[in-house]
Parts: sequence; structure tokens; C-alpha cells
Amino acid sequence: ELKVEQNPLFLSMQEGKNYTIYCNYSTTSDRLYWYRQDPGKSLESLFVLLSNGAVKQEGRLMASLDTKARLSTLHITAAVHDLSATYFCAVDPEGGSARQLTFGSGTQLTVLP
Amino acid sequence: DTGVSQDPRHKITKRGQNVTFRCDPISEHNRLYWYRQTLGQGPEFLTYFQNEAQLEKSRLLSDRFSAERPKGSFSTLEIQRTEQGDSAMYLCASSSHGGNTIYFGEGSWLTVV
Repeated sequence: ELKVEQNPLFLSMQEGKNYTIYCNYSTTSDRLYWYRQDPGKSLESLFVLLSNGAVKQEGRLMASLDTKARLSTLHITAAVHDLSATYFCAVDPEGGSARQLTFGSGTQLTVLP
Repeated sequence: DTGVSQDPRHKITKRGQNVTFRCDPISEHNRLYWYRQTLGQGPEFLTYFQNEAQLEKSRLLSDRFSAERPKGSFSTLEIQRTEQGDSAMYLCASSSHGGNTIYFGEGSWLTVV
């Protein structure tokens, strides 16, 4: 059974600081997704990482994928309050039917002024 | 905007009643997914359609859950004889064949009292 573990589960950080969220998964993967979810809202797609070594950046967020280590990271640079949300990674297992994602439990990020 | 739309957004029902949720995917997307999300957890995959064919349904939570996509466009998710444990947000998502990004709708919140 595929397991996806995120850490930390809760993160409070001050504005302007940097931090990294980690996503470990237990099986080989075709692709890895990062989503953002605001309270009571649906999931917003942030990144899709398709290969080993993939790195994508959007604004203050940068995601990377190491398929050998089965690890993805989401790095936050100079956090601002608007980044407060829950961030999920999700894995699409290699060879599985298309897009049956297994999600981590999420990292609840709070950016403090 | 032609994102994924879901209806109703909120449903309160008494235990034992049947409920049905509707999902309209992005118009050119032939793949449609249903997920369930409970408080504090990541979404959990339920079922998946490619056009009108339901290609994966083994992860529907029980035989009280069923889904259809009769003409390969909109889909419905029905829960029969609801139980309190069914209270959750039911998310629909869609993607195009070969597309990497999965787009989620706003979700349908179910409360069983």
C-alpha cells in the first residue's frame, strides 16, 4: 500500500523567513503533485513534478523531486501572510491507473506577522 | 469560467436518507474523478471515469456508494442509506487524456445528522 508522509504537519513561521515542507512516499512514482487548500475551499494545483531532479518555481514557492530518495520538497522563501494555507503533496503511483492520487495528510502553514 | 463545478455545495441529510451529488467537469476533459476528504485529512480517491467508462471503482467505500457518468460528460455520486460517518467533503476533479494537471471542483459538503 502506498504511503505518503508529510512533515511537519503544522508549521508556524514569521513573515520573511524561509522553510521547507517534506513529502516522503513509499513506492516508485510517475509523478508528484503539490496542492494548496484554503479553509473550506477546494484544492488549487501548484506544481506537477514529472521526473527525477525536476524543479519548479512559482513566486515564493519552489518544489523539487528526488525519485531515488522518494522525496519531494516544497520550499518557501521569505514567507508572507497570504501563503497561510494547508499544503498537500500527492503521488501518482508508477504503473497505476491514471491519476489515482494518494495524498499526504497535509501541512498546515501559518505565517505570522 | 469553465472550471469543475459541483452541486449542491452543501447538503444536510438525516441518517438513512439517500443523497446524490453532481459534477460537471471542464468541458474538454474526458477523465473524471471522485475523492472524499474528511476534516484534517488529505483527499481519498474513490473512483475514476474515462469518458463514460468507470475504470476503477474498487475503492468506493462500500456498496452504498455508486457513481455514474452516463454520457461521458457530467457525473453523479450517490450515497444510499447515509450514515454519520459519511459526513465529509466530496470532491470531483477532471483532467484531459495525457494531461498532467488534475483540476478539482469546490466540493460538496455532506453532513449526516
